[in-house]
Amino acid sequence: GIQVEQSPPDLILQEGANSTLRCNFSDSVNNLQWFHQNPWGQLINLFYIPSGTKQNGRLSATTVATERYSLLYISSSQTTDSGVYFCAGLEAGTASKLTFGTGTRLQVTL
Amino acid sequence: SQTIHQWPATLVQPVGSPLSLECTVEGTSNPNLYWYRQAAGRGLQLLFYSVGIGQISSEVPQNLSASRPQDRQFILSSKKLLLSDSGFYLCAWIKRDITYEQYFGPGTRLTVT
Repeated sequence: GIQVEQSPPDLILQEGANSTLRCNFSDSVNNLQWFHQNPWGQLINLFYIPSGTKQNGRLSATTVATERYSLLYISSSQTTDSGVYFCAGLEAGTASKLTFGTGTRLQVTL
Repeated sequence: SQTIHQWPATLVQPVGSPLSLECTVEGTSNPNLYWYRQAAGRGLQLLFYSVGIGQISSEVPQNLSASRPQDRQFILSSKKLLLSDSGFYLCAWIKRDITYEQYFGPGTRLTVT
C-alpha cells in the first residue's frame, strides 16, 4: 500500500499568521483528501483534491500528483483553526481504503 | 443530503463487559463503511471495512468484531472489553461514485475501566 507522510508534526502559530502543511505520498493516488479534526474530535472534510488547486475561504490546497505531494495553506489563521490536520490517499487500483498520514497538530494562539 | 450517525456518543464500560457501537448512514445506498479507532493523541487506525451487506474485512487481529446486517448499518462489537480497547471510535462511509470521497461520523468515546 501507499505511505503517507505529513510535516511538520506540530505547529504553533500566532493568530493572523499564515502556514503551509505538507503531505507526501509514496505512490500514485486517485483520491487525496484533507481533513481537520477539531478539539472535540470531529473530522471535517476540507478538500478532495487528487490534483490541481482548490480554495475555500482562508484555506487552499494544491496537489501535484506527478511529484506525489499535496500542500494545505492556511492564511490569517484563527484560534478556531486549531486541531489536527490529516491528509489521506486512496491508492490507485483499490476502491476501499484510505491511507492516512499521522497528522499535523496546529495550535493557534492569541 | 447524506448523514452519518453514531451512538452512543460516550461510553464507560468495565473490563470484561460486552460492547456494541452502532453506525448508520442516511441518504445514500450501497456505501462502503469503515470503523476506525483513534487512541489519545494518535492517528487513525482502520479496524474494519465493508463493501456490502455481510461482507466484512478485518485490518488488524484484535478483540473486536464488526457486522453489517443492513445496507446502511455497521456495528462494532466485543464480547469482553480490554483496557486497551479504550479510545475514540469513528465510523466513516464512502459513496461509490467517481470520487470515493470519505466522510466521518461524530465518533464514540469509549473508556474501559
